[in-house]
Amino acid sequence: EVVLTQSPGTLSLSPGERATLSCRASQSVSSNYLAWYQQKPGQTPRLLIYGASSRPTGIPDRFSGSGSGTDFTLTISRLEPEDFAVYYCQQYGGSPTFGQGTRLEIK
Amino acid sequence: QITLKESGPTLVKPTQTLTLTCTFSGFSLSTTGLGVGWIRQPPGKALEWLGLIYWNDDKRYSPSLRRRLTITKDTSKNQVVLTMTNMDPVDTGTYYCGLEKIVGATTTPLDYWGQGTPVTVSS
Repeated sequence: EVVLTQSPGTLSLSPGERATLSCRASQSVSSNYLAWYQQKPGQTPRLLIYGASSRPTGIPDRFSGSGSGTDFTLTISRLEPEDFAVYYCQQYGGSPTFGQGTRLEIK
Repeated sequence: QITLKESGPTLVKPTQTLTLTCTFSGFSLSTTGLGVGWIRQPPGKALEWLGLIYWNDDKRYSPSLRRRLTITKDTSKNQVVLTMTNMDPVDTGTYYCGLEKIVGATTTPLDYWGQGTPVTVSS
């Protein structure tokens, strides 16, 4: 099973700042099948990034994904108030798994 | 418009079997490349992927839960059913279903989710 480790556990930033979230896999993620989700309290997760760097229709371009192999990054270029939430990475090749999440909170 | 909705009991006793149904609209699970997956989330904790069934009846299960899980589909009813045996209090959480799409060489995971259904395991 591929274990995903997200860091930091909590990230405290202010609106307008840049956020960088990390997701490290215990083994190489096949075909870069790495996704990122955003979850706000009491809400369903929302897909932000798939294929490590592709955005679904409707996701703002301030969200970007990068990386390959075992190291992946989600970057939010300029934080909006609605971006403060929990973010999960997921690898979906073979037997999918999720990371433990990064909480992005307002500083 | 694609929608998914989970339904089932909110309370089950330890050792009982949980049966949840995901009823969807806006797509057919007979369409090549589509799959419906199940994910759960214990209160205050992270997401956990449980399993998935594809249009061609191919299935994938979490290795740690494989012995307890069965996923089936009824294409005529637009439903996918999750069965989990031998329920335990640690299985308490919100259970979600979601749509996965494979188009050519591109897989889009869990682009659409149901609202989730809470399940408590307690005697």
